[in-house]
Amino acid sequence: AQTVTQSQPEMSVQEAETVTLSCTYDTSESDYYLFWYKQPPSRQMILVIRQEAYKQQNATENRFSVNFQKAAKSFSLKISDSQLGDAAMYFCANQGGSEKLVFGKGTKLTVNP
Amino acid sequence: DTGVSQNPRHKITKRGQNVTFRCDPISEHNRLYWYRQTLGQGPEFLTYFQNEAQLEKSRLLSDRFSAERPKGSFSTLEIQRTEQGDSAMYLCASSPRGQGARNEKLFFGSGTQLSVL
Repeated sequence: AQTVTQSQPEMSVQEAETVTLSCTYDTSESDYYLFWYKQPPSRQMILVIRQEAYKQQNATENRFSVNFQKAAKSFSLKISDSQLGDAAMYFCANQGGSEKLVFGKGTKLTVNP
Repeated sequence: DTGVSQNPRHKITKRGQNVTFRCDPISEHNRLYWYRQTLGQGPEFLTYFQNEAQLEKSRLLSDRFSAERPKGSFSTLEIQRTEQGDSAMYLCASSPRGQGARNEKLFFGSGTQLSVL
């Protein structure tokens, strides 16, 4: 069974600073994918970044990057130069063996001006 | 690209009533997914269609739940004899068909919030 754990229910960061959101997962699949999704108050889930497990290189998307530690089954998200628009719920998700995504419980990120 | 559209945005119903939600995916997206999100939780997978074929169903999808995608375009999710535990946000997502890749980006709608009184 796949599980995803986000141990930080809430995080806060000052505008322009850097914040890291934690995620650990467990899967029996050898071929899987990891994602970070953002859910603003509008409720629409938006893909932030994704990582193929077979790739050793950490994915980056502009100000967003991940630290993928496969042996430790850890997949953290780093947001650099935080902006007010980054405030949202962030969900870590795992996909492997089927089409479904398994999500964590989320981390609420507050960005302080 | 007009995005994934879900209707209604909110639905309030009494216990025991039937409700139906609609999802219009992005045009030409072959795959359509339903997820359910309760307060304080991440979304949970319910079911998935490729074109009109329902290929995967979660054990969460009890006999009271049925989803259809008759022409491979829009989809409906019906809940019969609603219970208070069905109160949640129901999210729809779509993605284009890839070359067997499972890491395709999902495009989500804004969800339908169901409240069962």
